Amino acid sequence: GAGVSQTPSNKVTEKGKYVELRCDPISGHTALYWYRQSLGQGPEFLIYFQGTGAADDSGLPNDRFFAVRPEGSVSTLKIQRTERGDSAVYLCASSFSLGGEQFFGPGTRLTVL
Amino acid sequence: GDSVTQMEGPVTLSEEAFLTINCTYTATGYPSLFWYVQYPGEGLQLLLKATKADDKGSNKGFEATYRKETTSFHLEKGSVQVSDSAVYFCALIRSGGYQKVTFGTGTKLQVIP
Repeated sequence: GAGVSQTPSNKVTEKGKYVELRCDPISGHTALYWYRQSLGQGPEFLIYFQGTGAADDSGLPNDRFFAVRPEGSVSTLKIQRTERGDSAVYLCASSFSLGGEQFFGPGTRLTVL
Repeated sequence: GDSVTQMEGPVTLSEEAFLTINCTYTATGYPSLFWYVQYPGEGLQLLLKATKADDKGSNKGFEATYRKETTSFHLEKGSVQVSDSAVYFCALIRSGGYQKVTFGTGTKLQVIP
């Protein structure tokens, strides 16, 4: 079966632009997580969903970041007015249920020029 | 807050050498502890885990023991192979229903023939 997929794999944008990053979890997984990994660092938690609702968004750095999961499957991470400091690899993970093993996607590398 | 500290890399070893990657943590309560591995060009994968004190996680010849008294979870392997070359992340999930994974900064391992 397919693993977690993320699109695009690479995104280059200009400062001030809006971007959307997509995550397709493993089929049947109810929990979905977003992390951000800056160069030379470990992943940092952003937000997780149980079903359609955001159960914990305490890791979102500011109100320019927003994520949705309208049908409880695919999720989109949205970043408004991008800044150079937003450049990082954005990782998505899913698990069959809360507390289950998290399976990670390959990530989207975002570069803000 | 929760944190994970692991030894800085890169670590370079000859094939069949003994590996230790140190990891210590700070967390409220009794977290679950994990080692993740990221092979070149691939996503993060769970390598092993331990959920309570004195538990030993093991997989693919790697082992780590949950030491509550020293708040440590050191990764070991008796004989490394070239195929073990990767970045290794120590991580935790706080107890009490929390879902976000807190990662260390990662340790790059290079095994040379």
